[in-house]
Amino acid sequence: GEDVEQSLFLSVREGDSSVINCTYTDSSSTYLYWYKQEPGAGLQLLTYIFSNMDMKQDQRLTVLLNKKDKHLSLRIADTQTGDSAIYFCAERGNTGGFKTIFGAGTRLFVKA
Amino acid sequence: NAGVTQTPKFRVLKTGQSMTLLCAQDMNHEYMYWYRQDPGMGLRLIHYSVGEGTTAKGEVPDGYNVSRLKKQNFLLGLESAAPSQTSVYFCASSYGGAGLTGELFFGEGSRLTVL
Repeated sequence: GEDVEQSLFLSVREGDSSVINCTYTDSSSTYLYWYKQEPGAGLQLLTYIFSNMDMKQDQRLTVLLNKKDKHLSLRIADTQTGDSAIYFCAERGNTGGFKTIFGAGTRLFVKA
Repeated sequence: NAGVTQTPKFRVLKTGQSMTLLCAQDMNHEYMYWYRQDPGMGLRLIHYSVGEGTTAKGEVPDGYNVSRLKKQNFLLGLESAAPSQTSVYFCASSYGGAGLTGELFFGEGSRLTVL
């Protein structure tokens, strides 16, 4: 079945760039997402990329998609302490209720 | 501007007890989902619904039942709770369907502890 994998922890210094990586297995994925979860809250969509795109930029966020290797990354420029959260990579297939499958989440620690 | 509302937010059960989690959305979304979140395992899909009156199994459906009698509500039931069902449960909804981004809108979560 579909699987999404990502590392569990990342620690960076304030002002540095953060790069969170993800791999997925479903080659029929149409959309790939990055969701952010702050403590005690539900997930919120941070950004997404359509499967026919290589890159998407949105202010401090850059998403890179390598469809051949099924690799997705999220770069946060000028990381701030407010960016400390869990970041989930997710993918959505094209059939079967368009289910969204999530990775385990990467907990980002930002040191002042 | 409620979005997705889950009740209750916290519950403690004894093994073997039953309970129902209620999810309500006011965005007229067709699709609704129940996930559970466990440390190191991310979100796993329990059941989902693609419209009123329909339900389907996700990755981890055993021990749970669901109903979607009204479009805006999606209920998750535990008939006989087990300690392995201790988790944080999230409801989500989306417009669903092909050609749409499929963004999920999440509730704030329901923390369930089974003793």
